[in-house]
Amino acid sequence: NAGVMQNPRHLVRRRGQEARLRCSPMKGHSHVYWYRQLPEEGLKFMVYLQKENIIDESGMPKERFSAEFPKEGPSILRIQQVVRGDSAAYFCASSPLRVNTGELFFGEGSRLTVL
Amino acid sequence: DQQVKQNSPSLSVQEGRISILNCDYTNSMFDYFLWYKKYPAEGPTFLISISSIKDKNEDGRFTVFLNKSAKHLSLHIVPSQPGDSAVYFCAASAHDTGTASKLTFGTGTRLQVTL
Repeated sequence: NAGVMQNPRHLVRRRGQEARLRCSPMKGHSHVYWYRQLPEEGLKFMVYLQKENIIDESGMPKERFSAEFPKEGPSILRIQQVVRGDSAAYFCASSPLRVNTGELFFGEGSRLTVL
Repeated sequence: DQQVKQNSPSLSVQEGRISILNCDYTNSMFDYFLWYKKYPAEGPTFLISISSIKDKNEDGRFTVFLNKSAKHLSLHIVPSQPGDSAVYFCAASAHDTGTASKLTFGTGTRLQVTL
């Protein structure tokens, strides 16, 4: 049973470009969460999605960031006009249902470097 | 505003001895606490958790203690093994927010188990 798959594992972008990070949840999981880890910091919640719905985006920056989880295909975290401060590891996690206890299954992360 | 704090960035313990990792929180709404383990270049993996209605949860070599009055929890690993060397993140969630899977993470403690 494949785990949470994220790609690309590493992404380099120049300032002003767009970054797209993809996440395929574990089989049977319909809930996806995105977290960001800045250097020397803990993981910070960004957004929680179900298929075709954004449930909680309270951790998303107001501008340039968007997320979707379409009916078919992976969840995508999109960062427009990247800046150096966006350099971080972006982790996706999934769960089979609305988790009441917070036990999430994380992917290996996508590391974004903005030059 | 760091609601979950891990004040020790690193800890070194000899193999066979006990490792004690500490975590403090400030938000009294938190009612579920988790420990995640993270190896370099990998995603966090769930280790052990505890509900606020308990004060201790044990799973093999790992035990988590919760002191609600002090808003403090700790993870005990005994005996420590070289494979335990990793970064350990404390995390918390609050059911009343309606999104219990919105975890708040600490900044992590890097544990090194020496031979």
